[in-house]
Order: sequence, then structure tokens, then C-alpha cells
Amino acid sequence: AQSVTQPDIHITVSEGASLELRCNYSYGATPYLFWYVQSPGQGLQLLLKYFSGDTLVQGIKGFEAEFKRSQSSFNLRKPSVHWSDAAEYFCAVGAGGYQKVTFGIGTKLQVIP
Amino acid sequence: DTEVTQTPKHLVMGMTNKKSLKCEQHMGHRAMYWYKQKAKKPPELMFVYSYEKLSINESVPSRFSPECPNSSLLNLHLHALQPEDSALYLCASSQGVGQGALEQYFGPGTRLTVT
Repeated sequence: AQSVTQPDIHITVSEGASLELRCNYSYGATPYLFWYVQSPGQGLQLLLKYFSGDTLVQGIKGFEAEFKRSQSSFNLRKPSVHWSDAAEYFCAVGAGGYQKVTFGIGTKLQVIP
Repeated sequence: DTEVTQTPKHLVMGMTNKKSLKCEQHMGHRAMYWYKQKAKKPPELMFVYSYEKLSINESVPSRFSPECPNSSLLNLHLHALQPEDSALYLCASSQGVGQGALEQYFGPGTRLTVT
């Protein structure tokens, strides 16, 4: 069975600083990996996805993520954080041929002036 | 159009009430999902409909009854709920098969409070 670990429950960064949110997955075959963002009381918005190919994927809102098979990681990065990026971020993994996506517990991002 | 809509936005119901949550998408997706999300937790999968047939039921209590009238609509009928069922209920959709089946688009959710 697949699983996702997000080791950081809460992260605080200053506006304009760089950001990296960590995600580690467990899955025997090639994983399908996702990052979603959720603002308070809202649904989830897909930031980016990795299915295959280039291990550095670009997403919306200036985010990118890098798939590292050797480390079983799919960390999310942004070079300069904006106050509007404050939200909950979920990493997720899916298994090919199935429709179930497993979410991590989420990382809450706080942005300070 | 990449939007999934959900109504109502908020719902308060008593434990003896019957109510329904509605979800609609016009992306031509053939899979639709119901998730339950408690505060400070990730979404938990409840049901999956694929090509209008129920394909996954994650052992959800029978007081939750899903329905998929057509490929664009998904309902969740609620009856005799408990206070612990209060949560944000999210609908999502995706392509029916292949890698696209995993790329899910979410609606804004219905905030349900059971009194």
C-alpha cells in the first residue's frame, strides 16, 4: 500500500524568503505524485503533478517540485514566498490503475511580514 | 471549464433530518469522488463513482448514501447523522481511466454541522 509522510506540520517563513516543503512517499512501483494547496474553508487546488519524465516539474503560482527516486522524495519549492501563499499544503501519491489517492497529513504554511 | 461546484456551501442539520449534498462538473470527467475532511486532517476518501457506477466504498456507514444520476452530477444523501459527522465534505472529479484518473479536481466543499 502506498503512503505519504510530510514531516513538517507547521512552517513559518518570511515574505520573500525561499520555501521548501518536504514529502516522502512509500510505494513499490513508479508513483504518481501530487501537491495540493488548501486555503482555510476551501477545496483543494492542484499545484503540480509528477507522472514520469523530467524529474523537475513546474506548477502553478511559481511552485516547482523535484522527484528523487533514490530518496523517495517529492519536495515542493518556491524561490520567493508571497503572503497569499499562506495555506495548508498536501502531498499525495496515487497508484497506477487505481483511483485512490493517499494524502499526507499536510503542512501548514505561515508567512510573516 | 475546470470547475467543480458544490451546493450548499454550508448546511446545519439535526440528527433526525434528511438532507442532500450536490456536486456538478462539466469537464467531461467520468469519475467522481466524495471525501470527508475533519479539521486539521487530510481528506478521507468515502466513495468513488466510475462511469456512473459505484466502484469504491470505503466502508462508509449507511447513513451516507451516494448517488450518481449522470456523468456530471453526484449527490450525497444524508440521514440520521451523528454530531461526529460534522466536517467539510469535498467532491472531486477526474478522467475515468489511466493516469488522468488520479488527477483530481476538487470543489470548494460543503461545511456540514450536525446538531
